Amino acid sequence: EAEVAQSPRYKITEKSQAVAFWCDPISGHATLYWYRQILGQGPELLVQFQDESVVDDSQLPKDRFSAERLKGVDSTLKIQPAELGDSAMYLCASSPGQGIGTEAFFGQGTRLTVV
Amino acid sequence: AQSVTQLGSHVSVSEGALVLLRCNYSSSVPPYLFWYVQYPNQGLQLLLKYTTGATLVKGINGFEAEFKKSETSFHLTKPSAHMSDAAEYFCAVSVSNSGGYQKVTFGIGTKLQVIP
Repeated sequence: EAEVAQSPRYKITEKSQAVAFWCDPISGHATLYWYRQILGQGPELLVQFQDESVVDDSQLPKDRFSAERLKGVDSTLKIQPAELGDSAMYLCASSPGQGIGTEAFFGQGTRLTVV
Repeated sequence: AQSVTQLGSHVSVSEGALVLLRCNYSSSVPPYLFWYVQYPNQGLQLLLKYTTGATLVKGINGFEAEFKKSETSFHLTKPSAHMSDAAEYFCAVSVSNSGGYQKVTFGIGTKLQVIP
């Protein structure tokens, strides 16, 4: 069964350091999402890609966060420098289309702890 | 802008009892609605979704939800809770943004505890 792959599963980093997360979506899925989920809250969209293009990054803190999907397949989310408030679960999801009502398939996430 | 309100961040039911998780939405355009489930340290998995047509939607694991436009609600139910249903449940609303892409907004989630 096809799955969204994310790595690492867990990451501990010191504040002010750089950290990166990787996501490999289900093959053929053109739409890729990065979400941040703070403990006790629902996922919040950080960035949405359609192929290699960003279609929504309105909630991405661009002073420290960056995301890329160079060949329209896998994607990297980077934080530099990390802050204590960035501790959260970072979820990647993909979907076969961008239309309303399309199901998103989620990876297991990367749990980031900033100390 | 769209939003989702999930009433009750924690719900406890006895095994075999009815499960009712509440979701109300706000949207200026007709929404599509989802329920996702999340097990500890896992990603989210789709339970069911409402797009158009029949307002009573059946999903996996015996769950169903009814879209009530007049009440702006999409409550999730299951007749008989099982221990394996213990998880966190998220209601989400999907609308089309100005660029024609899907924008999904999640609620804060309801953690379901099943008591043996």
